Amino acid sequence: QSVLTQPPSVSGAPGQSITISCTGSNSNIGAEYDVQWYQQLPGSAPKLLIYGNSHRPSGVPDRFSGSKSGTSASLAINGLQAEDEADYYCQSYDDTLSEFALFGGGTKLTVL
Amino acid sequence: QLQLQESGPGLVKPSETLSLTCTVSGDSMNNKFWSWIRQSPGKGLEWIGYVYSSGDIKYNPSLKSRVTMSIDMSKSQFSLRVISVTAADTAVYFCARQKGIWFDPWGQGTLVTVSS
Repeated sequence: QSVLTQPPSVSGAPGQSITISCTGSNSNIGAEYDVQWYQQLPGSAPKLLIYGNSHRPSGVPDRFSGSKSGTSASLAINGLQAEDEADYYCQSYDDTLSEFALFGGGTKLTVL
Repeated sequence: QLQLQESGPGLVKPSETLSLTCTVSGDSMNNKFWSWIRQSPGKGLEWIGYVYSSGDIKYNPSLKSRVTMSIDMSKSQFSLRVISVTAADTAVYFCARQKGIWFDPWGQGTLVTVSS
């Protein structure tokens, strides 16, 4: 099955900015499917952070932003805060066999 | 505010059938897509499939041969069955509303362990 590749971990100090990448292929991100991002705090369900590549649901701070280019997407977090420490997952769709939803492997963000 | 809650056995024996139910509250199930997603240490997040309020269903091709989903609008519930389970099916199972190609909100999740 196709995959979306994320770095296993990233870290940054409070106040700094970080970026998490999500690399796909021509059967998913490159096939014009939008990319979503989810934040999963320890012991909790994933929470939608970004949808449609760059749109924030109501209540998500504008410190979080998303972008997409070609077969990749990125999540940027500005002004890191301690409560941002979590796992982050990208998600898209793939049409290799038939259309299905696909998640990245996840990135653990550590706020130093 | 839409809320979802998973329920079902936390322990299933190998080769048997896993059955879970998701109860929806706070909004109508009508004209919406409802999905199951699981999370295991070895495979991360994996979309299992969705059921639409009309009963239309789509499954992940990798699980299609073992999965059945259904919906009961009168009870505000949708369900998942996975047959012939193995240890690889051990995971936290989430239900979620699927809107377009994204998932929001999610239930809190329920751990299902496959073991004798």
